[in-house]
Amino acid sequence: SQTIHQWPATLVQPVGSPLSLECTVEGTSNPNLYWYRQAAGRGLQLLFYSVGIGQISSEVPQNLSASRPQDRQFILSSKKLLLSDSGFYLCACQGAYNEQFFGPGTRLTVL
Amino acid sequence: AQSVTQLDSHVSVSEGTPVLLRCNYSSSYSPSLFWYVQHPNKGLQLLLKYTSAATLVKGINGFEAEFKKSETSFHLTKPSAHMSDAAEYFCVVSPLGTSGTYKYIFGTGTRLKVLA
Repeated sequence: SQTIHQWPATLVQPVGSPLSLECTVEGTSNPNLYWYRQAAGRGLQLLFYSVGIGQISSEVPQNLSASRPQDRQFILSSKKLLLSDSGFYLCACQGAYNEQFFGPGTRLTVL
Repeated sequence: AQSVTQLDSHVSVSEGTPVLLRCNYSSSYSPSLFWYVQHPNKGLQLLLKYTSAATLVKGINGFEAEFKKSETSFHLTKPSAHMSDAAEYFCVVSPLGTSGTYKYIFGTGTRLKVLA
């Protein structure tokens, strides 16, 4: 079964600074990958998904971007963070059918 | 359009008593439905899934859910709550997207509290 790693686990960044969150997957090849954000007291919102290297689909226009430079690597980025970017970011990998498996998450606080 | 509604934002039960977390869905065709659990500051763990096979689905940690098409419900149950069950639970409906992707639609979550 697949294992999803996310780095870093926690991050505190000033407003206007750049961001790079990494997600790597083991135990599968050519997976569909997803980025979600969970804001405090709210549900999960799908941000991006990718079906392969260099293929990114955006769900919500915002201050973030995503890239997939390798088959099992999915990166979430921003050039200038906003206060509203604070939240818990989760990477997910699609399983053999339609279930998704989630990584441990990254807690981002923008000050 | 598909949607999912979790009817209770908070549920409290005593240890050893049954758990019922309610979820209703809206879908124009036979959906895939999931329950996930999230402990504080952790990722989501898949408890169980319904994908049009048996209507009673058994999951991990003693949880199960029953798909009732006539009621458009997929409630999560457990006969006897344990302290370790205290967490947030999410009901999810999954429509098929393009290229075989599945863009989950999450409920707003139910926070389960287990009293000693």
